[in-house]
Amino acid sequence: QVQLKESGPGLVQPSETLSLTCTVSGFSLTSYSVSWVRQPSGKGPEWMGRMWYDGDTAYNSALKSRLSISRDTSKNQVFLKMNSLQTDDTGTYYCTRDLTHNPFDYWGQGVMVTVSS
Amino acid sequence: DIVLTQSPALAVSLGQRATISCRASQSVSISRYNLMHWYQQKPGQQPKLLIYRASNLASGIPARFSGSGSGTDFTLTINPVQADDIATYYCQQSRESMYTFGAGTKLELK
Repeated sequence: QVQLKESGPGLVQPSETLSLTCTVSGFSLTSYSVSWVRQPSGKGPEWMGRMWYDGDTAYNSALKSRLSISRDTSKNQVFLKMNSLQTDDTGTYYCTRDLTHNPFDYWGQGVMVTVSS
Repeated sequence: DIVLTQSPALAVSLGQRATISCRASQSVSISRYNLMHWYQQKPGQQPKLLIYRASNLASGIPARFSGSGSGTDFTLTINPVQADDIATYYCQQSRESMYTFGAGTKLELK
């Protein structure tokens, strides 16, 4: 069955870099894209960026200067790196399965990230 | 970016109909496809897909959920509302590659 699971540190210092891993199973990263979506507590989700099935990437224009998404297809993993973290980057970070013009049909359980000294 | 506008909250009685709206800043339709989707989220859980492409029920979702709309105006209807439906509901568009979500409508009991 399709599964996605996020992993990474729960606490990041201000101005530091966030590194998250999404490990997928039940589908191929060369057939489906994977997006990262984040959600501050009590607010709506925000699409951050996408690793396309063909290896290309797309980013939210508001985050583009700080964000990098990559993958390792041999390990079924997609990576997120975002630098210069501030307190308003605190929230839950999800990876989702993404097929062009379709909804996010599968979500990981999410990882809570707190930016604090 | 396409901005999606939802009312913040809706109060409803159990057994009644709930109608949640979402308005897009520009059309999210391509040809006959209306690229608006709806999710339910309960506290501490990830969003759960309810309706895709405006009116299609996702797998395993009860038939009391339905969706309609086209262009810029979309509606999620729950009829009748059950206690398990108390949650926050989000619309999301996939018309542009930069997907966007609404801020959510919190369904509350009267």
